[in-house]
Amino acid sequence: GNSVTQMEGPVTLSEEAFLTINCTYTATGYPSLFWYVQYPGEGLQLLLKATKADDKGSNKGFEATYRKETTSFHLEKGSVQVSDSAVYFCALRTNFGNEKLTFGTGTRLTIIP
Amino acid sequence: GAGVSQSPSNKVTEKGKDVELRCDPISGHTALYWYRQSLGQGLEFLIYFQGNSAPDKSGLPSDRFSAERTGGSVSTLTIQRTQQEDSAVYLCASSSRGEYFSYEQYFGPGTRLTVT
Repeated sequence: GNSVTQMEGPVTLSEEAFLTINCTYTATGYPSLFWYVQYPGEGLQLLLKATKADDKGSNKGFEATYRKETTSFHLEKGSVQVSDSAVYFCALRTNFGNEKLTFGTGTRLTIIP
Repeated sequence: GAGVSQSPSNKVTEKGKDVELRCDPISGHTALYWYRQSLGQGLEFLIYFQGNSAPDKSGLPSDRFSAERTGGSVSTLTIQRTQQEDSAVYLCASSSRGEYFSYEQYFGPGTRLTVT
């Protein structure tokens, strides 16, 4: 079956540090890959997505590249801000008929000034 | 425009009671999903609706759980004879759908269920 393995948290970084949150997946077929973010007290929001191999998703300074050869979709940001403190979830969806999202366990990120 | 709304935002119930959780999807979204977020299990898929029918119920954990959707809009998730392990945040999401697959899922704020 499908599964997502995500970097264990919590992660604490200083402001302006470089961020990487690792995500690898197992899936049948050719999945679409997503990063969702959950800010304190808010609902899940889509941060970025990639629908095929070598695609790069980007939003709000975050990037992730769909690497089929390593089955990975690592989240990166060059310079984090306090406002990036949140829980980040990696997820996949296999296309064409299987509609559900399969999520990783989530990584809590805290940025200190 | 309005996003996905869920009610109640918090529900505390006694073990053995039945509860109903409601989801109002984004207007025009034909696909609706229920997920559960708990400490021990992370984010789990429960059920998917396309219109009023549920082609995928594979995530419902037991027959105490059921869901329906009427008029292609509002959905209700019902948990009968609640157990302490049902305590979790129940999330609803909706999306529009193309010819072959659904687009981005938009999530509601969730209902936090506590079973005492």
